[in-house]
Amino acid sequence: DAKTTQPNSMESNEEEPVHLPCNHSTISGTDYIHWYRQLPSQGPEYVIHGLTSNVNNRMASLAIAEDRKSSTLILHRATLRDAAVYYCILEMDSSYKLIFGSGTRLLVRP
Amino acid sequence: SQTIHQWPATLVQPVGSPLSLECTVEGTSNPNLYWYRQAAGRGLQLLFYSVGIGQISSEVPQNLSASRPQDRQFILSSKKLLLSDSGFYLCAWSVRRGAANEQFFGPGTRLTVL
Repeated sequence: DAKTTQPNSMESNEEEPVHLPCNHSTISGTDYIHWYRQLPSQGPEYVIHGLTSNVNNRMASLAIAEDRKSSTLILHRATLRDAAVYYCILEMDSSYKLIFGSGTRLLVRP
Repeated sequence: SQTIHQWPATLVQPVGSPLSLECTVEGTSNPNLYWYRQAAGRGLQLLFYSVGIGQISSEVPQNLSASRPQDRQFILSSKKLLLSDSGFYLCAWSVRRGAANEQFFGPGTRLTVL
């Protein structure tokens, strides 16, 4: 299965932007890039996904490198409620499966 | 709107006892269904997924099994629990939107095997 690499943890100050990196050098042309986050004692929740172009939604932005071998999840203004584990996942074409890695634990300082 | 239910929320079972965890989805039809397990402090491990009634794919060989007796019901079972089966069990559903597969997770069942 395609693999992603993320830092174990990152820290941010409240109300500052956060850039969460992800490397996926083995990505194939039809693999989608997904981001989910998991708050303590809860199931993961969908954040955003993309294929080639940058994407924006109400939660975050996703910046995808031109060669698609890396991507960055951008939280424009971190809040304390954004403290969570963020997972970068590749969905192989038509596989139905999301293979979760260990993710990045984001700590937000007040 | 769609909702996903899991029960029980917490469970403490002795080693060697059987297990049955149930997951149901409302408000959608023919969803893909998934069972994940998360050990303490770890990421999620995909255990089983199903694209239709009676269709189960296993991702990791172990003493667990899954069944899908109805379109929106997914059951995780074991005949004899092991200590290593402890963890946070999450059910999820998805329907393919365009070409991407967005998954929605239930509240989870926290299982402790003693």
